Amino acid sequence: EVQLVQSGAEVKKPGESLKISCKGSGYSFTSYWIGWVRQMPGKGLEWMGIIYPGDSDTRYSPSFQGQVTISADKSISTAYLQWSSLKASDTAMYYCARHMTTVTTLPDYWGQGTLVTVSS
Amino acid sequence: AIQMTQSPSSLSASVGDRVTITCRASQGIRNDLGWYQQKPGKAPKLLIYAASSLQSGVPSRFSGSGSGTDFTLTISSLQPEDFATYYCLQDYNYSYTFGQGTKLEIK
Repeated sequence: EVQLVQSGAEVKKPGESLKISCKGSGYSFTSYWIGWVRQMPGKGLEWMGIIYPGDSDTRYSPSFQGQVTISADKSISTAYLQWSSLKASDTAMYYCARHMTTVTTLPDYWGQGTLVTVSS
Repeated sequence: AIQMTQSPSSLSASVGDRVTITCRASQGIRNDLGWYQQKPGKAPKLLIYAASSLQSGVPSRFSGSGSGTDFTLTISSLQPEDFATYYCLQDYNYSYTFGQGTKLEIK
């Protein structure tokens, strides 16, 4: 069974750093792109970027380029999303998702989400 | 970047109704589009991929159509569990953009 399990909720202060994780299982982790999606409170879905764990090829949405870093450790089947200096506007739910590879590259399996709250 | 314009932003309908949601891309994206359903507090669920292919396990009352710039999601006969928010997502050339979402509410 394909599963993506994300790390738990975080409460941080502005200016702090943060790294959240997404662990894949039940499939070949290095053969599928993993993407990250932001959902701010009461708002829609925003695609942030993707990484191919096999070779760490990474692509960002222009809106998130330079704001976050996506990485992966294929030895432990885990992808990461990190911030070096959080802002209150980073408060959101963050989802990871596995992207399909045949016919389409849309995400099919999703993690349960990680709620990040940034408040002084 | 490709923009996706989804309409309507909200929709009231009754059980048994047929509803249609549309997405328009700012440039041609072939059939590189999918539709997702999201319920409160849950991750999105893939319904349709490649514009018109039904994801495994999704009821056949959901269907998608379109290519190029104009796409449609149709629910043929609304069921109580279908009241949710729906999003389109384009995946043309490894760039991805969601539509703004359509909240489907019970009339």
